[in-house]
Amino acid sequence: DQQVKQNSPSLSVQEGRISILNCDYTNSMFDYFLWYKKYPAEGPTFLISISSIKDKNEDGRFTVFLNKSAKHLSLHIVPSQPGDSAVYFCAASDRGSTLGRLYFGRGTQLTVWP
Amino acid sequence: ETGVTQSPTHLIKTRGQQVTLRCSSQSGHNTVSWYQQALGQGPQFIFQYYREEENGRGNFPPRFSGLQFPNYSSELNVNALELDDSALYLCASSPQNTEAFFGQGTRLTVV
Repeated sequence: DQQVKQNSPSLSVQEGRISILNCDYTNSMFDYFLWYKKYPAEGPTFLISISSIKDKNEDGRFTVFLNKSAKHLSLHIVPSQPGDSAVYFCAASDRGSTLGRLYFGRGTQLTVWP
Repeated sequence: ETGVTQSPTHLIKTRGQQVTLRCSSQSGHNTVSWYQQALGQGPQFIFQYYREEENGRGNFPPRFSGLQFPNYSSELNVNALELDDSALYLCASSPQNTEAFFGQGTRLTVV
């Protein structure tokens, strides 16, 4: 049962434009959400997170938006750069009961072209 | 650089064999989790250890077992390997209830 879903397996964006990666979840107990970036032959690298008490968190070029009523979050990258090309995983956690166990989506391959 | 290192990076085993994967995490990271990432999938939670005790388990059979040691290292053991066990195995560590830091993974191939 996939509790975190990334329905777009790939996204292609021109350098300088905005990249928007989407993620949906089904478990209303999730209270912490994270985005990880993964390059080939490397482990996932933490990018940005958001608590369920917020609806937006910003860190430089990266902003995560959370819509709890829709059980939807998105990652915005502005401006996109070729070095951002990687697989992006959305993850969620119910910190109250699972002490940090992460539920991951299947990932979205982002390609940023010059 | 996450401070989490895994060994070996690649491994080939025969069906039915046993394998031990190792992880060394940062000092002070008393929580370690193991994930399995099959091709085209997101990482799936195997289990978590907190202060050397198993503290949660995903939907994996008992032939997947682990250990955590006082020096912040840990092991994942898989007995009676099956072809479907071929995957990238990821170790993640964290201080307490914060984002997890992942190692580079061990690519296991079962033939």
